[in-house]
Amino acid sequence: GAGVSQSPRYKVAKRGQDVALRCDPISGHVSLFWYQQALGQGPEFLTYFQNEAQLDKSGLPSDRFFAERPEGSVSTLKIQRTQQEDSAVYLCASCELGGTYEQYFGPGTRLTVT
Amino acid sequence: AQKITQTQPGMFVQEKEAVTLDCTYDTSDQSYGLFWYKQPSSGEMIFLIYQGSYDEQNATEGRYSLNFQKARKSANLVISASQLGDSAMYFCAMSLNTGNQFYFGTGTSLTVIP
Repeated sequence: GAGVSQSPRYKVAKRGQDVALRCDPISGHVSLFWYQQALGQGPEFLTYFQNEAQLDKSGLPSDRFFAERPEGSVSTLKIQRTQQEDSAVYLCASCELGGTYEQYFGPGTRLTVT
Repeated sequence: AQKITQTQPGMFVQEKEAVTLDCTYDTSDQSYGLFWYKQPSSGEMIFLIYQGSYDEQNATEGRYSLNFQKARKSANLVISASQLGDSAMYFCAMSLNTGNQFYFGTGTSLTVIP
């Protein structure tokens, strides 16, 4: 079956632009996670959805970051007024239930802010 | 605070030899899960193995085994009979049953030498 997909794979934005990153989880997966991975680092948790409910957004670095999953499937991570420090790979993962289960990751979106 | 520590930034192993990648974790929770993921240069995170905190037996998945020492709070990954395709970044991660977050280490870069 299809895995987790993310689009675009690469995004270059000028500082100050808004960007939207899309994640298509595995069909039927209840839980969806977003992570930020800086170069040479491990992924850092951003936010978590269970179906359409955003249960944890404690990892979002600022109020410029916003995520939604309105119908409990596809999710969008939006970054407003991008800054250079936002440059990273943004990973999406989904799993059947909560975080104690194996997460399936997408290929990531590499965001470069110039 | 929850924390994962991987002290080996880079490791080299001869093809067909075994290698151990170190991981220690820090949590006061009694119930948690430990994971290892592989991240090749393509960027996608690939699940390798899982160990629950209450599992008494060490987890094994093919050539991967997890050396779980609860008292020492260590969860080392052992890869037997290394192959050239094993060259990648390896991340240790922890999840808590009480939350929905995954905590990743900084990773170990493994290079398999022919």
